[in-house]
Amino acid sequence: KNQVEQSPQSLIILEGKNCTLQCNYTVSPFSNLRWYKQDTGRGPVSLTIMTFSENTKSNGRYTATLDADTKQSSLHITASQLSDSASYICVVSASGRRGKSTFGDGTTLTVKP
Amino acid sequence: DVKVTQSSRYLVKRTGEKVFLECVQDMDHENMFWYRQDPGLGLRLIYFSYDVKMKEKGDIPEGYSVSREKKERFSLILESASTNQTSMYLCASLRTEGSSYTFGSGTRLTVV
Repeated sequence: KNQVEQSPQSLIILEGKNCTLQCNYTVSPFSNLRWYKQDTGRGPVSLTIMTFSENTKSNGRYTATLDADTKQSSLHITASQLSDSASYICVVSASGRRGKSTFGDGTTLTVKP
Repeated sequence: DVKVTQSSRYLVKRTGEKVFLECVQDMDHENMFWYRQDPGLGLRLIYFSYDVKMKEKGDIPEGYSVSREKKERFSLILESASTNQTSMYLCASLRTEGSSYTFGSGTRLTVV
């Protein structure tokens, strides 16, 4: 069964600090991995999308890494801001499974002043 | 940027009512999706559509139906609303399998 597991479930950090969120998956055959940010009460917004051949992708202060061999991804947030407080969702898609991506449960990040 | 618009942010309906949730996207995407999001359960796929008048069941289609008469509009229908359908409903569109989903802002539905 295709699964995506994210850790930690929740995280509290101080403003200005860095943090790393983890995503492990068992989706096969792998097509791509996406990270989304979801503010409370809003829809998710795309941060990055990575394919098999990509192992790092950045979007401002967000850097995603992918190790397709170990089936792990991480999202690193640098110099956190209060506006980074949100849920971060990892989504993995398999080749040939039209429309059926597997979503992780998300990591809730709280940035405190 | 692609915009996905959901008709209502908040909705309160009574048990047994027929409920329509509307979603419109403005970038000619082939694929559209309806998810529900509940605490601790993540996003779960209800239905998706990859073309006009085409639909496929997701993981939790029971109690729901969909309609896609025009490419830009994908409607989710709760035939007879029940309290266990109280949830956040998210619509999304997707240009190709290798691109990113664009989500609407969500509809918080409460069934009383």
